[in-house]
Amino acid sequence: VQLQESGPGLVKPSQTLSLTCSVSGASTSSGGYYWHWIRQRPGKGLEWIGYIYYSGGPYYSPSLESRITISLDTSKNQFSLKLISVTAADTAIYSCARESIAEPYFFDSWGQGTLVTVSS
Amino acid sequence: SSEVTQDPAVSVALGQIVTITCQGDSLRSYYASWYQQKAGQAPVLVIFRKNNRPAGIPDRFSGSGSGNTASLTITGAQAEDEAVYYCYSRDSSGDYRVFGGGTSLTVL
Repeated sequence: VQLQESGPGLVKPSQTLSLTCSVSGASTSSGGYYWHWIRQRPGKGLEWIGYIYYSGGPYYSPSLESRITISLDTSKNQFSLKLISVTAADTAIYSCARESIAEPYFFDSWGQGTLVTVSS
Repeated sequence: SSEVTQDPAVSVALGQIVTITCQGDSLRSYYASWYQQKAGQAPVLVIFRKNNRPAGIPDRFSGSGSGNTASLTITGAQAEDEAVYYCYSRDSSGDYRVFGGGTSLTVL
């Protein structure tokens, strides 16, 4: 399975960050996986953003839930992240990842990540 | 509690044993996994579901857990093990996920 993030690398402050994770080698409609977003700000640790799955969710990090939306598009076999009202503090490498529902507690696939810079 | 916490930094002499811990109330109910991140690289899974090693991870890496603490042990630390290690698990509700803040391991 492969996950590939895509979206603008530069977003202006106060605007909306939109990213898509395209999934190949697995089906987002199979119901067997949680589909996650994770980020890492420069020089900082890993931060879980949220996840969605075919029959439930989404679930969001409490620190971000007022600004984020995660959605699943099974027709395109992809899932998306929208983060509104961004600031420089949202500059980070954003990654998508998959967690098995049957064998949870870790990501069995992880995208390469995409750097999003928030700057005017 | 929705958090899991790690010591920010740990050091170990080359060839010695080091244990990195992750603490949180949720760990009484849920497994932890561990990710290794070397400078400028993507995270790599080294232990999953408390004490399982993915293929290709050296057997000097092991995991354990008791009570509210999950542990990653490196038996015979090597220079290439120098990295930041993150634990990952669920919060107490089980619906949300959490990363520890990371432990920077220095091999002396």
